Amino acid sequence: GAVVSQHPSWVICKSGTSVKIECRSLDFQATTMFWYRQFPKQSLMLMATSNEGSKATYEQGVEKDKFLINHASLTLSTLTVTSAHPEDSSFYICSARDSSDQGYLTGELFFGEGSRLTVL
Amino acid sequence: AQTVTQSQPEMSVQEAETVTLSCTYDTSESDYYLFWYKQPPSRQMILVIRQEAYKQQNATENRFSVNFQKAAKSFSLKISDSQLGDAAMYFCAYRRGSNFGNEKLTFGTGTRLTIIP
Repeated sequence: GAVVSQHPSWVICKSGTSVKIECRSLDFQATTMFWYRQFPKQSLMLMATSNEGSKATYEQGVEKDKFLINHASLTLSTLTVTSAHPEDSSFYICSARDSSDQGYLTGELFFGEGSRLTVL
Repeated sequence: AQTVTQSQPEMSVQEAETVTLSCTYDTSESDYYLFWYKQPPSRQMILVIRQEAYKQQNATENRFSVNFQKAAKSFSLKISDSQLGDAAMYFCAYRRGSNFGNEKLTFGTGTRLTIIP
């Protein structure tokens, strides 16, 4: 099946620094990727929709300048948490849809393994 | 706005028995997809089963099946012959049809399933 890879899987950083998380579709092209945030024992909350070659669409309440998203190619989207603070500590998950006709028909989204961010 | 409700925060079942997880949703759309995802301790989201709203037949995948009641907006997951590896958080999710161009998933709050040996 389709594979989505996230890197790093776990990152610890100091408060005030910026952290970049990568999301790659390994065996398919994805014009659209989604970034979710998951707090412990809670559900996944959509942060933004990443569109290849254009600006991301952010959900209400998500700070665009805080969570920078870049989708520069059909297989890579990045999430940069700028000036991270302890409250940004969370589990971040990306998902992607196969842009092929088959992917369009199935509507299935494939998820990365997630990235755990801890801000000290 | 679409909402997905899972009213069972935790469920447990004896190994080899059958368990049903509940999910209800609210939407005004007629074209949509429903999913059950499994999130084991590794946190990797795994698709368990999917259902297209236009299909009347309930989806099945081996030991997993759904009871899709469109009029009632209900989408329950039945796991037969439960196995230890089924232990995980299970999320019900909704997505509008592709024709609308809005493909984001809306998740329920999840049900933690414990398998008792």
